[in-house]
Amino acid sequence: DAGVIQSPRHEVTEMGQEVTLRCKPISGHNSLFWYRQTMMRGLELLIYFNNNVPIDDSGMPEDRFSAKMPNASFSTLKIQPSEPRDSAVYFCASSERGQAGELFFGEGSRLTVL
Amino acid sequence: DAKTTQPPSMDCAEGRAANLPCNHSTISGNEYVYWYRQIHSQGPQYIIHGLKNNETNEMASLIITEDRKSSTLILPHATLRDTAVYYCIVRVAADYKLSFGAGTTVTVRA
Repeated sequence: DAGVIQSPRHEVTEMGQEVTLRCKPISGHNSLFWYRQTMMRGLELLIYFNNNVPIDDSGMPEDRFSAKMPNASFSTLKIQPSEPRDSAVYFCASSERGQAGELFFGEGSRLTVL
Repeated sequence: DAKTTQPPSMDCAEGRAANLPCNHSTISGNEYVYWYRQIHSQGPQYIIHGLKNNETNEMASLIITEDRKSSTLILPHATLRDTAVYYCIVRVAADYKLSFGAGTTVTVRA
Protein backbone atom coordinates (compact mmCIF):
# COMPACT_ATOMS: atom_id res chain seq x y z
CA ASP A 1 0.00 0.00 0.00
CA ALA A 2 1.34 3.39 -1.04
CA GLY A 3 0.46 5.40 2.03
CA VAL A 4 -0.25 9.12 1.99
CA ILE A 5 1.69 10.76 -0.81
CA GLN A 6 2.76 14.38 -0.63
CA SER A 7 4.50 16.58 -3.15
CA PRO A 8 6.79 18.35 -3.40
CA ARG A 9 9.01 17.02 -0.61
CA HIS A 10 10.99 20.22 -0.59
CA GLU A 11 10.11 23.66 -1.86
CA VAL A 12 12.21 26.79 -1.75
CA THR A 13 10.57 29.97 -2.93
CA GLU A 14 10.82 33.70 -2.58
CA MET A 15 8.52 35.86 -0.54
CA GLY A 16 5.42 36.82 -2.46
CA GLN A 17 5.32 33.74 -4.63
CA GLU A 18 2.43 31.31 -4.72
CA VAL A 19 3.02 27.87 -3.22
CA THR A 20 0.88 24.81 -3.84
CA LEU A 21 1.32 21.65 -1.80
CA ARG A 22 -0.36 18.44 -2.90
CA CYS A 23 -1.63 15.38 -1.14
CA LYS A 24 -2.99 12.02 -2.23
CA PRO A 25 -4.67 10.26 0.71
CA ILE A 26 -4.84 6.51 1.18
CA SER A 27 -7.50 5.02 -1.04
CA GLY A 28 -10.73 4.45 0.84
CA HIS A 29 -9.99 6.97 3.58
CA ASN A 30 -12.76 9.50 3.97
CA SER A 31 -11.02 12.07 6.17
CA LEU A 32 -8.08 14.28 5.34
CA PHE A 33 -6.07 16.60 7.54
CA TRP A 34 -3.42 19.24 6.88
CA TYR A 35 -0.95 19.93 9.70
CA ARG A 36 1.92 22.36 9.96
CA GLN A 37 5.03 21.78 12.07
CA THR A 38 7.49 24.40 13.25
CA MET A 39 10.04 24.41 16.03
CA MET A 40 8.21 27.20 17.82
CA ARG A 41 4.65 25.91 17.62
CA GLY A 42 5.03 22.17 17.09
CA LEU A 43 2.33 20.33 15.13
CA GLU A 44 -0.79 22.37 14.43
CA LEU A 45 -3.96 21.28 12.68
CA LEU A 46 -4.74 23.62 9.82
CA ILE A 47 -7.84 22.11 8.26
CA TYR A 48 -9.93 18.95 8.34
CA PHE A 49 -11.99 17.50 5.46
CA ASN A 50 -14.57 14.77 5.76
CA ASN A 51 -15.93 13.21 2.56
CA ASN A 52 -14.21 16.01 0.60
CA VAL A 53 -16.03 18.74 2.54
CA PRO A 54 -14.08 21.16 4.76
CA ILE A 55 -15.37 20.69 8.29
CA ASP A 56 -12.99 22.80 10.34
CA ASP A 57 -10.62 25.39 8.94
CA SER A 58 -10.17 27.32 12.17
CA GLY A 59 -6.49 26.48 12.18
CA MET A 60 -5.77 28.16 8.86
CA PRO A 61 -3.53 31.10 9.79
CA GLU A 62 -5.03 33.73 7.54
CA ASP A 63 -6.61 34.41 4.18
CA ARG A 64 -3.35 33.78 2.40
CA PHE A 65 -3.93 30.08 3.08
CA SER A 66 -6.53 28.05 1.24
CA ALA A 67 -7.19 24.34 0.89
CA LYS A 68 -9.29 22.32 -1.50
CA MET A 69 -10.31 18.73 -1.92
CA PRO A 70 -11.90 18.38 -5.37
CA ASN A 71 -12.23 14.61 -5.05
CA ALA A 72 -11.53 11.77 -2.66
CA SER A 73 -8.04 11.19 -3.96
CA PHE A 74 -6.54 14.66 -4.07
CA SER A 75 -6.13 17.76 -1.94
CA THR A 76 -4.13 20.95 -2.22
CA LEU A 77 -2.93 23.54 0.25
CA LYS A 78 -2.13 26.87 -1.32
CA ILE A 79 -0.32 29.87 0.12
CA GLN A 80 -0.59 33.12 -1.80
CA PRO A 81 1.39 35.26 -1.29
CA SER A 82 3.95 33.35 0.73
CA GLU A 83 5.93 34.94 3.57
CA PRO A 84 9.10 33.84 5.38
CA ARG A 85 7.07 32.99 8.50
CA ASP A 86 5.26 30.33 6.46
CA SER A 87 8.46 28.29 6.40
CA ALA A 88 7.60 24.95 8.00
CA VAL A 89 6.97 21.30 7.29
CA TYR A 90 3.44 20.70 6.11
CA PHE A 91 1.95 17.27 6.70
CA CYS A 92 -1.08 15.70 5.14
CA ALA A 93 -2.81 12.84 6.96
CA SER A 94 -5.78 10.65 6.17
CA SER A 95 -8.04 8.45 8.23
CA GLU A 96 -10.37 5.63 7.37
CA ARG A 97 -12.90 6.13 10.09
CA GLY A 98 -12.66 9.88 10.30
CA GLN A 99 -13.22 10.96 13.80
CA ALA A 100 -12.14 7.88 15.68
CA GLY A 101 -9.62 6.31 13.39
CA GLU A 102 -5.88 6.45 13.54
CA LEU A 103 -4.25 9.03 11.33
CA PHE A 104 -1.78 8.03 8.64
CA PHE A 105 0.66 10.82 7.88
CA GLY A 106 2.60 11.53 4.73
CA GLU A 107 6.30 12.29 4.70
CA GLY A 108 5.67 16.02 4.67
CA SER A 109 6.54 18.95 2.43
CA ARG A 110 9.33 21.15 3.74
CA LEU A 111 8.71 24.75 2.67
CA THR A 112 11.32 27.46 2.86
CA VAL A 113 10.28 31.00 1.97
CA LEU A 114 13.22 33.35 1.49
CA ASP B 1 -4.31 24.00 27.78
CA ALA B 2 -1.96 21.03 28.16
CA LYS B 3 -3.93 17.86 28.73
CA THR B 4 -0.86 15.65 29.06
CA THR B 5 2.52 16.00 30.71
CA GLN B 6 5.54 14.09 29.47
CA PRO B 7 9.23 14.30 30.35
CA PRO B 8 11.06 16.27 27.65
CA SER B 9 13.66 13.58 27.04
CA MET B 10 14.92 10.17 28.07
CA ASP B 11 17.63 7.75 27.09
CA CYS B 12 17.31 4.02 26.71
CA ALA B 13 19.79 1.21 26.12
CA GLU B 14 19.34 -0.84 22.98
CA GLY B 15 17.69 -4.17 23.70
CA ARG B 16 16.18 -2.96 26.96
CA ALA B 17 12.57 -2.04 27.60
CA ALA B 18 11.76 1.65 27.30
CA ASN B 19 9.07 2.90 29.67
CA LEU B 20 7.60 6.24 28.64
CA PRO B 21 5.41 7.94 31.25
CA CYS B 22 2.53 10.30 30.62
CA ASN B 23 0.39 12.18 33.11
CA HIS B 24 -3.17 13.09 32.19
CA SER B 25 -4.74 13.90 35.53
CA THR B 26 -7.70 15.79 34.06
CA ILE B 27 -8.73 13.05 31.64
CA SER B 28 -12.46 12.64 31.15
CA GLY B 29 -14.30 9.36 31.23
CA ASN B 30 -14.82 9.30 27.48
CA GLU B 31 -11.29 10.29 26.51
CA TYR B 32 -8.87 7.78 25.07
CA VAL B 33 -5.11 7.82 25.47
CA TYR B 34 -3.26 7.77 22.15
CA TRP B 35 0.43 7.41 21.44
CA TYR B 36 2.15 8.53 18.27
CA ARG B 37 5.80 8.85 17.48
CA GLN B 38 7.76 10.91 14.98
CA ILE B 39 11.07 9.70 13.69
CA HIS B 40 13.35 12.46 12.42
CA SER B 41 12.25 13.90 9.05
CA GLN B 42 9.19 11.66 8.89
CA GLY B 43 5.51 12.15 9.57
CA PRO B 44 4.01 11.05 12.89
CA GLN B 45 3.18 7.37 13.17
CA TYR B 46 0.35 5.85 15.20
CA ILE B 47 1.49 3.41 17.88
CA ILE B 48 -1.41 2.42 20.11
CA HIS B 49 -4.42 3.72 22.00
CA GLY B 50 -6.60 2.67 24.91
CA LEU B 51 -9.45 3.69 27.17
CA LYS B 52 -9.26 1.76 30.42
CA ASN B 53 -7.69 -1.60 29.82
CA ASN B 54 -4.09 -2.27 29.05
CA GLU B 55 -3.40 -2.74 25.37
CA THR B 56 -0.69 -4.51 23.42
CA ASN B 57 0.13 -4.68 19.74
CA GLU B 58 3.15 -5.55 17.66
CA MET B 59 4.80 -2.23 18.41
CA ALA B 60 4.21 -1.58 22.08
CA SER B 61 2.18 -2.03 25.23
CA LEU B 62 0.07 0.62 26.90
CA ILE B 63 -0.48 0.46 30.64
CA ILE B 64 -3.18 2.76 32.02
CA THR B 65 -3.52 3.22 35.78
CA GLU B 66 -6.80 2.30 37.39
CA ASP B 67 -7.69 5.94 38.04
CA ARG B 68 -6.68 6.72 34.43
CA LYS B 69 -4.65 9.72 35.53
CA SER B 70 -1.46 8.38 34.04
CA SER B 71 -0.19 5.84 31.58
CA THR B 72 3.03 4.23 30.43
CA LEU B 73 4.02 3.26 26.93
CA ILE B 74 6.36 0.29 26.90
CA LEU B 75 8.65 -0.52 24.01
CA PRO B 76 9.66 -4.05 25.01
CA HIS B 77 13.00 -4.29 23.24
CA ALA B 78 14.15 -0.88 22.10
CA THR B 79 16.22 -0.65 18.93
CA LEU B 80 18.14 2.26 17.45
CA ARG B 81 15.25 2.74 15.03
CA ASP B 82 12.98 3.55 17.96
CA THR B 83 14.80 6.84 18.47
CA ALA B 84 12.03 9.40 17.98
CA VAL B 85 9.75 11.94 19.62
CA TYR B 86 6.87 10.17 21.35
CA TYR B 87 3.58 11.97 21.80
CA CYS B 88 0.94 11.09 24.39
CA ILE B 89 -2.46 12.52 23.46
CA VAL B 90 -5.85 12.31 25.10
CA ARG B 91 -8.86 12.59 22.86
CA VAL B 92 -12.53 11.89 22.83
CA ALA B 93 -13.09 9.18 20.23
CA ALA B 94 -15.63 11.30 18.38
CA ASP B 95 -13.29 14.29 18.21
CA TYR B 96 -11.33 14.53 14.99
CA LYS B 97 -8.75 16.85 16.52
CA LEU B 98 -5.45 15.29 17.52
CA SER B 99 -3.50 17.89 19.52
CA PHE B 100 0.21 17.21 19.70
CA GLY B 101 2.21 18.59 22.59
CA ALA B 102 5.99 18.70 22.87
CA GLY B 103 6.33 14.96 23.46
CA THR B 104 9.28 13.01 24.83
CA THR B 105 12.45 12.76 22.81
CA VAL B 106 13.65 9.20 23.24
CA THR B 107 17.20 8.35 22.31
CA VAL B 108 18.12 4.68 22.13
CA ARG B 109 21.84 4.16 22.60
CA ALA B 110 23.87 1.17 21.51
